[in-house]
Amino acid sequence: TQLLEQSPQFLSIQEGENLTVYCNSSSVFSSLQWYRQEPGEGPVLLVTVVTGGEVKKLKRLTFQFGDARKDSSLHITAAQPGDTGLYLCAAHGAGSYQLTFGKGTKLSVIP
Amino acid sequence: DAGITQSPRHKVTETGTPVTLRCHQTENHRYMYWYRQDPGHGLRLIHYSYGVKDTDKGEVSDGYSVSRSKTEDFLLTLESATSSQTSVYFCAIMPDRGAEAFFGQGTRLTVV
Repeated sequence: TQLLEQSPQFLSIQEGENLTVYCNSSSVFSSLQWYRQEPGEGPVLLVTVVTGGEVKKLKRLTFQFGDARKDSSLHITAAQPGDTGLYLCAAHGAGSYQLTFGKGTKLSVIP
Repeated sequence: DAGITQSPRHKVTETGTPVTLRCHQTENHRYMYWYRQDPGHGLRLIHYSYGVKDTDKGEVSDGYSVSRSKTEDFLLTLESATSSQTSVYFCAIMPDRGAEAFFGQGTRLTVV
């Protein structure tokens, strides 16, 4: 089982600030996903990245897949209190049906 | 919303008793997963299924068993609950490998 390491584990910022969270592994992935989870709810998919070097934008969120397809980042511009939540990266192992998650980054955006 | 329902939503049980959690889907998705979520550990995979009667272990399978006798239902059983199994359990479904995973609302299990 590949290990997905997310950093930072916790992040508390003021509204309007920018932030980046990271998801790293020593394994190569065919694709990587980012999910967001709110308290009391299950995770919800934000994006799937497939191609090395790929950049996807979702409003103020920018997702990047590393060239070697081993790592990914999520950048939020001008964070808002509604961005508060747990951000999780996830990936399938090579040839595996397992969907493994990182430990997540817990983001708090203070008004 | 994807049609996925977990039951029960909350349960308190005593150490040593058997417990079964149910995940029911109406999407006819092939893949189903059981995770547990604990502070500091994120989502950890317990067991998963890639078809009817096709299941395999995840990273934290000890003390748990699963069954999938039909496409729509995936059952997670704690044969003899222990306090270390107190957690929030999530079921997820997925149509294809690499596709979006849809999660249930979770089951909060407390073993006393």
